[in-house]
Amino acid sequence: SQTIHQWPATLVQPVGSPLSLECTVEGTSNPNLYWYRQAAGRGLQLLFYSVGIGQISSEVPQNLSASRPQDRQFILSSKKLLLSDSGFYLCAWSVGGTGEQYFGPGTRLTVT
Amino acid sequence: RKEVEQDPGPFNVPEGATVAFNCTYSNSASQSFFWYRQDCRKEPKLLMSVYSSGNEDGRFTAQLNRASQYISLLIRDSKLSDSATYLCVVNFRNDYKLSFGAGTTVTVRA
Repeated sequence: SQTIHQWPATLVQPVGSPLSLECTVEGTSNPNLYWYRQAAGRGLQLLFYSVGIGQISSEVPQNLSASRPQDRQFILSSKKLLLSDSGFYLCAWSVGGTGEQYFGPGTRLTVT
Repeated sequence: RKEVEQDPGPFNVPEGATVAFNCTYSNSASQSFFWYRQDCRKEPKLLMSVYSSGNEDGRFTAQLNRASQYISLLIRDSKLSDSATYLCVVNFRNDYKLSFGAGTTVTVRA
């Protein structure tokens, strides 16, 4: 069966500090991978998605970036965090474009 | 106008009651539809897909009305464990990108 891991679970970072969140998927090959952010009381906002190694599509221009160095690894980064980057960051995977996506446990980021 | 809109609730219902709520979407060319469930401070999980003819999964019934551009979810015989936020999700182009509503909160009380 497939599993998806994210770490860390919670993170408190000062404004201007860098960020690196990692997501890995097990039990499947060549998954589509996604990064979402959920602000308090808001819907999920798609940040990035990837359909293959080294291929990244950005949905929202901001100070975040993503990379996919391996088939089942997806990394979200920032060089300098803003207060507005606080939120619940979720990684997800899917097979093809079926619309059924499976989420990791998420990282709750607070920028102070 | 938001792509997917939901009544945020909360819907407070007693155990055993039936609760139903809708979601509207803006793009008439939308291809596929889903309900996800999100528990407090947890990740969303797929509850069920929504098919054109409507479908049931146990106590849950989903309906799609393309003419009026809404989908609905009905929960029968509510359990305490049904307390959650229900996210309406639409795939506009049958591609990789989903649009999520902000969710409808349901609280089932003993």
